[in-house]
Amino acid sequence: EIVMTQSPATSSVSPGERVTLSCRASQSVNTKLAWYQQKPGQAPRLLIYDASTRATGIPARFSGSGSGTEFTLTITSLQSEDSAVYYCQQYNKWPPYTFGQGTKLEIK
Amino acid sequence: DVQLVESGGGLVQPGGSLRLSCAASGFTFTNYAMSWVRQGPGKGLEWVSAVSGSGGSSYSADSVKGRFTISKDISTNTLYLQMNSLRAEDTAVYYCAKMGGWYEPIDYWGQGIPVTVSS
Repeated sequence: EIVMTQSPATSSVSPGERVTLSCRASQSVNTKLAWYQQKPGQAPRLLIYDASTRATGIPARFSGSGSGTEFTLTITSLQSEDSAVYYCQQYNKWPPYTFGQGTKLEIK
Repeated sequence: DVQLVESGGGLVQPGGSLRLSCAASGFTFTNYAMSWVRQGPGKGLEWVSAVSGSGGSSYSADSVKGRFTISKDISTNTLYLQMNSLRAEDTAVYYCAKMGGWYEPIDYWGQGIPVTVSS
């Protein structure tokens, strides 16, 4: 089973700033990596797939990069609405599909 | 628009059974794999089971293998999760999810349905 590890567990950033969230896989997942955003009481929403492709309707402030075992999600010009938990997920080697434990992003 | 609407959740005693349903619309049901993903109270996301577009192939996490069965009714565009021998640790919100394919991410999620296993 591929273990996904996200860091940091929590990040607190001011509006307008930039934040980078990290995701590490225990073995290579090539670029089969997605990022999801989940706000309280809501279902997750796909942000990024194939490591760097934005999903439909996702603003350009969200960008993803990486391959193999190291990935990042960068959000620029942070807004209050970006406050959420962000999860990475690999879909290269399954079953099981595996998620990271999540990074909680707080906007000060 | 893609819509996924779960039903069938609720309170069940340990050792009991429950069947979750997910009514799908807005896409060709037989063309896409589907998954169930759960989220325990205050916890992260855990993939549970997945089934192919045709319903002919399925996979499950070790934590539910032998107890949960995923299936599709292509005549009614409905996804199911039959859950038997339920345990307290199965308590979670269960999400129905559409995938592009086996090597693709989840692109749509249902709103989730809570399942509580408790005496």
